[in-house]
Amino acid sequence: DAKTTQPTSMDCAEGRAANLPCNHSTISGNEYVYWYRQIHSQGPQYIIHGLKNNETNEMASLIITEDRKSSTLILPHATLRDTAVYYCIVRVTGANNLFFGTGTRLTVIP
Amino acid sequence: NAGVTQTPKFRVLKTGQSMTLLCAQDMNHEYMYWYRQDPGMGLRLIHYSVGEGTTAKGEVPDGYNVSRLKKQNFLLGLESAAPSQTSVYFCASSTHHTLQETQYFGPGTRLLVL
Repeated sequence: DAKTTQPTSMDCAEGRAANLPCNHSTISGNEYVYWYRQIHSQGPQYIIHGLKNNETNEMASLIITEDRKSSTLILPHATLRDTAVYYCIVRVTGANNLFFGTGTRLTVIP
Repeated sequence: NAGVTQTPKFRVLKTGQSMTLLCAQDMNHEYMYWYRQDPGMGLRLIHYSVGEGTTAKGEVPDGYNVSRLKKQNFLLGLESAAPSQTSVYFCASSTHHTLQETQYFGPGTRLLVL
């Protein structure tokens, strides 16, 4: 799996959009970008994933650059409950595990 | 639909003791996984299973054994616990679908080995 680089921590004001960047410059053509988050003391939770097109679901949007070397997870209206560690993961479909790394600790401020 | 459940939630062991962690899923998933998470770290894969009766080693398998006798259950065993195995253990499951291999995680088991 390709290595990812994320900022260690970020703050976001409640109600504003949270934009979490991820660099994956060595990504291969068949590797997907996945985002999970882990709220304190809980198991990780799937957010969204994509290959090369931008994706949106009820939780977030995923913007992948045209060269696929980086992506951004967007939480459109952050709430206090979005405070968590966010993991950007790149994996090949069919790979047997997720490499989580250390992620970005997002703190939503009232 | 309970999703993925783990038993127990918390356990304290003495060095050398043994125990079994139970993971159960009611989503009819083929794949199941055991991860450990140490403080300030991401998750690391211990063992996984791609179906009933099959298991395979992950990134950090030493000191652990697993069994998948039933599709819905995945057991993680520690035969002789060591302080280095103090961690939070997460179980996960996923379908066999090749394009949507979202993993669903349990709430975790916190293990302290003295």
